[in-house]
Amino acid sequence: SYVLTQPPSVSTAPGETATLTCAGNNLRYESVHWYQQKPGRAPLLVISYDSGRPSGIPERFSGSSSGNTATLTISSVEAGDEADYYCQVWNQSTDHWVFGGGTKVTVL
Amino acid sequence: EVQLVESGGGLVQPGGSLRLSCAASGFTFSNSYWMSWVRQAPGKGLEWVANMKQDASEKYYVDSVKGRFTITTDNAKNLVYLQMNSLRAEDTAVYYCARGSPPPGGLFDYWGQGALVTVSS
Repeated sequence: SYVLTQPPSVSTAPGETATLTCAGNNLRYESVHWYQQKPGRAPLLVISYDSGRPSGIPERFSGSSSGNTATLTISSVEAGDEADYYCQVWNQSTDHWVFGGGTKVTVL
Repeated sequence: EVQLVESGGGLVQPGGSLRLSCAASGFTFSNSYWMSWVRQAPGKGLEWVANMKQDASEKYYVDSVKGRFTITTDNAKNLVYLQMNSLRAEDTAVYYCARGSPPPGGLFDYWGQGALVTVSS
């Protein structure tokens, strides 16, 4: 089965930049999507197709992908950005939709 | 406005069955969208469970539920179902209904609030 690997946690001070990574075999051939999930809430799509930003998502959220790693960058981090963040792909080899294990972002 | 509202969750004994429903509104059921179920066990991450094309010509399941769960839609009523049979303790989770885009790509752009399924004796 296809695996996406994310660091369990990232801590950032308010106003600084949080960098979240998502690693997977041959990830360059997949489109990566990112979701934000706050406690007790449904996930929210924040980045689509590696670097697209859905309507209503602040410009502080940006995405990129290179080689076997995709990156979600949150600039000028705010207290309200504290959440779990998940990367996700559709894996063409298995016809399965796959989520990473998630990264908990803590704002110090 | 797109809305997805799940119902049908609850407590069920191991080996039992349950059917979740998802009422969709604010968009037209078509093959431009795939309807999906994603679950989250208590304190754990997200796990994709099942997807289907609106015309039912393609359905996919995570290996752990194949042969036990079935995803269907009632396109006339804009409803999505997840029939869950032979339930196990490890199926305990919040189940989210989500609207998705077709592969390749395959994202989930709208989510319901979730329905809790607890499998326990």
